[in-house]
Amino acid sequence: SQELEQSPQSLIVQEGKNLTINCTSSKTLYGLYWYKQKYGEGLIFLMMLQKGGEEKSHEKITAKLDEKKQQSSLHITASQPSHAGIYLCGAKQGGSEKLVFGKGTKLTVNP
Amino acid sequence: NAGVTQTPKFRVLKTGQSMTLLCAQDMNHEYMYWYRQDPGMGLRLIHYSVGEGTTAKGEVPDGYNVSRLKKQNFLLGLESAAPSQTSVYFCASSLLMTGGNSPLHFGNGTRLTVT
Repeated sequence: SQELEQSPQSLIVQEGKNLTINCTSSKTLYGLYWYKQKYGEGLIFLMMLQKGGEEKSHEKITAKLDEKKQQSSLHITASQPSHAGIYLCGAKQGGSEKLVFGKGTKLTVNP
Repeated sequence: NAGVTQTPKFRVLKTGQSMTLLCAQDMNHEYMYWYRQDPGMGLRLIHYSVGEGTTAKGEVPDGYNVSRLKKQNFLLGLESAAPSQTSVYFCASSLLMTGGNSPLHFGNGTRLTVT
């Protein structure tokens, strides 16, 4: 079965700093999703990537899917305390509608 | 537009008791999912449904049953709760898309404790 490995597991940055979170798959990705979760709340959809080399941005968050479609990165520019939370990547297992997730990256942004 | 609504938000059960978690979506989505989230384990898929009247097993289906009698509702049942089922349960739904993907929309979760 497909596994998604996220790195780092946790990250503490000073407000204003840039950061990158990685998501690596053991198999080809057929749709990669990024979600954000605040403690005690549900998951909020950030972005979806489908094509190799695709890059999407929303406000200060940019996500990329590499050409081989086995790794994605999430980059936050000039981080703010509002960016704090747990970031999860998810992907569909090939040929099915099952969406599996990585274990998440906990981001803390200190003011 | 409520999106995905889960009830209850919190529940405490004793070992051996049964309960049903309800998930309702008002977006006319075909696909619905139940996940559990545990520290260090991330989100794990319990069961899912690709349409009314259908269900399928996910990664961790043992100890749970599901039903999708109506398109908008997806029920998760625990027949005999065990402490290992203490977790936060999330329901999600997504649109059917031919030849493409659509994101999952999540509810706010149900925090279940089994003592």
